[in-house]
Amino acid sequence: DGGITQSPKYLFRKEGQNVTLSCEQNLNHDAMYWYRQDPGQGLRLIYYSQIVNDFQKGDIAEGYSVSREKKESFPLTVTSAQKNPTAFYLCASSIGLKNTEAFFGQGTRLTVV
Amino acid sequence: QKEVEQNSGPLSVPEGAIASLNCTYSDRGSQSFFWYRQYSGKSPELIMFIYSNGDKEDGRFTAQLNKASQYVSLLIRDSQPSDSATYLCAVTTGGFKTIFGAGTRLFVKA
Repeated sequence: DGGITQSPKYLFRKEGQNVTLSCEQNLNHDAMYWYRQDPGQGLRLIYYSQIVNDFQKGDIAEGYSVSREKKESFPLTVTSAQKNPTAFYLCASSIGLKNTEAFFGQGTRLTVV
Repeated sequence: QKEVEQNSGPLSVPEGAIASLNCTYSDRGSQSFFWYRQYSGKSPELIMFIYSNGDKEDGRFTAQLNKASQYVSLLIRDSQPSDSATYLCAVTTGGFKTIFGAGTRLFVKA
């Protein structure tokens, strides 16, 4: 089955700790995205990537980092510089950046303890 | 002004009625328009997409786009309790970024 897999589903982070969220897709999509969703709010774009070894900052990139070493994978690191990381994180992919719908993973809920 | 604006709701309609969800956007160069449905605690799933002015129908759903007014809407006919969810409007801008609205919560009363 083709799709997008995010792991873990739930993640707890201690203050000052870096954590990495995994996102893998087998849809052969070129574009991948990371969004953050806070309660009662829409999705805010963190980073996006159109092709391997290239990525762009979204609207709220501070405190986050990404890599795109393989077409299938787009991991997101939440660093200690992100002061309010508790949120629902969603990874998505699409065929390209233009005129194509995005398919989402099941999300990772990150909580700072 | 937010790039993509939606009424947060909640919008409450009786079962069998038409639910009308609205969205406005600010970038006149926007190319693509999407409606996603999100159940609580779940990820969004695509309901409709529309690229050209006018109406596009798919089953009980109709998307309407008016680029001159920078307005896109979603109509749900014969609303069912299972349609109760948050509906997210998304717009791909001229710069190829997809921006999401905050969503409208819909409740369909049985």
